[in-house]
Amino acid sequence: QSVLTQPPSVSGAPGQRVTISCTGSSSNIGTGFGVHWYRHLPGTAPKLLIYANTNRPSGVPDRFSGSKSGTSASLAITGLQAEDEADYYCQSYDNNLRGWVFGGGTKLTVL
Amino acid sequence: EGQLVESGGGLVQPGGSLRLSCAASGFSFNTYEMHWVRQAPGKGLQWLSFISSGGRTINYADSVKGRITISRDNAKKSLYLQINSLRAEDTAIYYCAKGGAGEAFDVWGQGTMVTVSS
Repeated sequence: QSVLTQPPSVSGAPGQRVTISCTGSSSNIGTGFGVHWYRHLPGTAPKLLIYANTNRPSGVPDRFSGSKSGTSASLAITGLQAEDEADYYCQSYDNNLRGWVFGGGTKLTVL
Repeated sequence: EGQLVESGGGLVQPGGSLRLSCAASGFSFNTYEMHWVRQAPGKGLQWLSFISSGGRTINYADSVKGRITISRDNAKKSLYLQINSLRAEDTAIYYCAKGGAGEAFDVWGQGTMVTVSS
């Protein structure tokens, strides 16, 4: 059971918009710690997509956006492309655990 | 942006030990915090350990505390993870990652596979 809760899977057709939710608690997302999002393909290095809730590293397309409200955060992907198929993870810091925590991951399928 | 390359994984018997290494290049290694993260087969990412840029501050996940030791050699631009008393559930791909803006992990290695089996 992960500290941050994500849906196991989401799907969408090419060109559509999908969102992935990440629900935490008052000891992590709710404390004001930033939420970060990663894309991961098995056997490869995870890639940072969004940091500190809403910021995109250079090189990440503006199709990817992040938001945060209270103890939850979301990743939105617009203009879905086949190459977006991957696992997506949210991450934050937990005050009670005194460490970084990940969501369980969400598998995105492009139909 | 930088690059990280892990090494040291392999097949180990239960109860054994391993020392994983992570070689950094392309950035000022001695000014950044570093982490170890793992992914067991069919599971998600799990944060294991943190070390500050100078090595003075260290944190471990409760699930592995007492069995792992993180360290770094800034002169060699290298990060290490010593894992003792290995169990089957330690079987995973182990990644090193660089701490970046907002405490996100902005550079990751490709990972090194550790298999614990008799």
